[in-house]
Amino acid sequence: DSGVTQTPKHLITATGQRVTLRCSPRSGDLSVYWYQQSLDQGLQFLIQYYNGEERAKGNILERFSAQQFPDLHSELNLSSLELGDSALYFCASSGDVGTTDQETQYFGPGTRLLVL
Amino acid sequence: AQSVTQPDIHITVSEGASLELRCNYSYGATPYLFWYVQSPGQGLQLLLKYFSGDTLVQGIKGFEAEFKRSQSSFNLRKPSVHWSDAAEYFCAVVPFSGGYNKLIFGAGTRLAVHP
Repeated sequence: DSGVTQTPKHLITATGQRVTLRCSPRSGDLSVYWYQQSLDQGLQFLIQYYNGEERAKGNILERFSAQQFPDLHSELNLSSLELGDSALYFCASSGDVGTTDQETQYFGPGTRLLVL
Repeated sequence: AQSVTQPDIHITVSEGASLELRCNYSYGATPYLFWYVQSPGQGLQLLLKYFSGDTLVQGIKGFEAEFKRSQSSFNLRKPSVHWSDAAEYFCAVVPFSGGYNKLIFGAGTRLAVHP
């Protein structure tokens, strides 16, 4: 158990809909990362937040957005869903800058999204 | 282009045999290096990491990896594979230090273990 939690575990929805994925980082971690794992693209970085602020963006579609709340949990919002958005979405967290864990990311169990 | 390469998509070994999974990276400087394992239907579990120092690092579940700067490689090894090691293994790098950096993953190597 990494200490990172994600809900829900599975999500089935229809094209055009909007969903929200939730992540709680390890206790004390300020950085949260979102990744997408699909068969054709592999594991791709989407976005990173540090202590409530966006830090880095990767291959995240404009239909997707994220935020990190004061209690440090994060949500990934996916809207106008398409069949191709079906994937496993992972959240990861890492330790504070200046700590030995700042470069090590610990992953949650993922949310499997199926768009029908 | 900056990348992480895992040349073997699938590997099959017999239980008790030794294992080596290959990983090469192409970055100007030595990045931070990681191996993660993903069991079927599970998340990613950190096996081991290399930041600096001793080039042979020990991880969990009996795995080790060796960093070779001259070959830009970070190969994962296990002397005796168990059936429970069947999973997908991902090599990953953080190109630069600073705590604000994404992981770049290889495509993964799927390991099958024959009894």
